[in-house]
Amino acid sequence: DIQMAQSPSSLSASVGERVTITCRASESVSSYLNWYQQKPGKAPKLLIYGATFLQSGVPSRFSGSRAGTDFSLTITSLQPEDFATYYCQQTYSKPISFGQGTRLDIK
Amino acid sequence: QVQLMESGGGVVQPGTSLTLSCAASGFTFSRFAIHWVRQAPGKGLEWVATISYDGTNKYFADSVKGRFSASRDNSNDKVFLQMNTLGAEDTAVYYCAREGRASAADYLDYWGQGTLVTVSS
Repeated sequence: DIQMAQSPSSLSASVGERVTITCRASESVSSYLNWYQQKPGKAPKLLIYGATFLQSGVPSRFSGSRAGTDFSLTITSLQPEDFATYYCQQTYSKPISFGQGTRLDIK
Repeated sequence: QVQLMESGGGVVQPGTSLTLSCAASGFTFSRFAIHWVRQAPGKGLEWVATISYDGTNKYFADSVKGRFSASRDNSNDKVFLQMNTLGAEDTAVYYCAREGRASAADYLDYWGQGTLVTVSS
């Protein structure tokens, strides 16, 4: 089974800052890596698919990158509505797996 | 617009069964695989199951294999998750989600609002 190691588990930042969240796969997942945002009491929302592709309607301050089995989600110029929990997910092979999540809160 | 809506959650006793439903609208349901993902209170996301667009292929997490089953009714745009021998560890919000596909990418692009299952005596 593929394990997704996501870091950090929590992060405090200010409005306007740039933040990066990383996810490392235990083996190759090619580009089958997605990022989701979840706010309390709500369903997850797809942000990035295929490691680097921005889902329709998602602001361009969100971006994804890949370097081998290392993946990153970067948010440039944080906005108040970006404070949430973020998850990576691999869909390369079953069982599908998520990272443990990164809680992003306001400093 | 694309919508998914789960139903069937509730409070059940350990060892009993429950069936969740996921009703879809706003897209050609029979062309898309559907996933179930759960989230225990205060915890992260856990993939539970996937059923292919035509119901012929089904995949389950080890934690539910042999206890949960999935089916779909493409005539009525619904997916079902049959959960047997429930235990406290199955307490969670259960989401259904549509699988989107692109070149070298599978992802969950639309999600329901979730239904809470509580297993407690």
